[in-house]
Amino acid sequence: GAVVSQHPSWVICKSGTSVKIECRSLDFQATTMFWYRQFPKQSLMLMATSNEGSKATYEQGVEKDKFLINHASLTLSTLTVTSAHPEDSSFYICSADTSGHYNEQFFGPGTRLTVL
Amino acid sequence: GNSVTQMEGPVTLSEEAFLTINCTYTATGYPSLFWYVQYPGEGLQLLLKATKADDKGSNKGFEATYRKETTSFHLEKGSVQVSDSAVYFCALSDITNAGKSTFGDGTTLTVKP
Repeated sequence: GAVVSQHPSWVICKSGTSVKIECRSLDFQATTMFWYRQFPKQSLMLMATSNEGSKATYEQGVEKDKFLINHASLTLSTLTVTSAHPEDSSFYICSADTSGHYNEQFFGPGTRLTVL
Repeated sequence: GNSVTQMEGPVTLSEEAFLTINCTYTATGYPSLFWYVQYPGEGLQLLLKATKADDKGSNKGFEATYRKETTSFHLEKGSVQVSDSAVYFCALSDITNAGKSTFGDGTTLTVKP
């Protein structure tokens, strides 16, 4: 149980375009989802906390107008990278929190974004 | 604030060798502790967890014990295999911090046949 999927698994786009990444909890409801960014050979950097039905909470230094997060249902959160630039190229990972599981998070497989 | 410090890598071992990856933490609350594993090009998978002092998490031959007195959660395995080659992340989650997880920098393990 507790499977999280991400779509797409990889995407290549031109500079200036917007890219949407979906994160879905497949067999449970997630009131809270987290979005991370991971650079090569580095740890995960928390970007924002996404709560169903409310605005996302962004970490310091993360541009909320650049990285739009929507958590419209208990099983879906989306991250939209707006006007993408090459420096936005990264591995984006989402996770979902299942309340009552000691704050254990279940991670999606990640999305590799490459901006040309 | 919360922080996690992991043993620096990379770590290279021969098959069947003993593995230890050190992890210490600081936390304002009473955290849960986790080890995650990441294979190349993939997301993170939970390896094991412990939610209170003296708990031992174990899975696939890996073990870690929650030591409150030394604020540590060291990962061990008695006999590593080539398939254990991956990046290992120590993490904590603190309910007083809105459930956010804090990760260590990761330790890359390479096991040679």
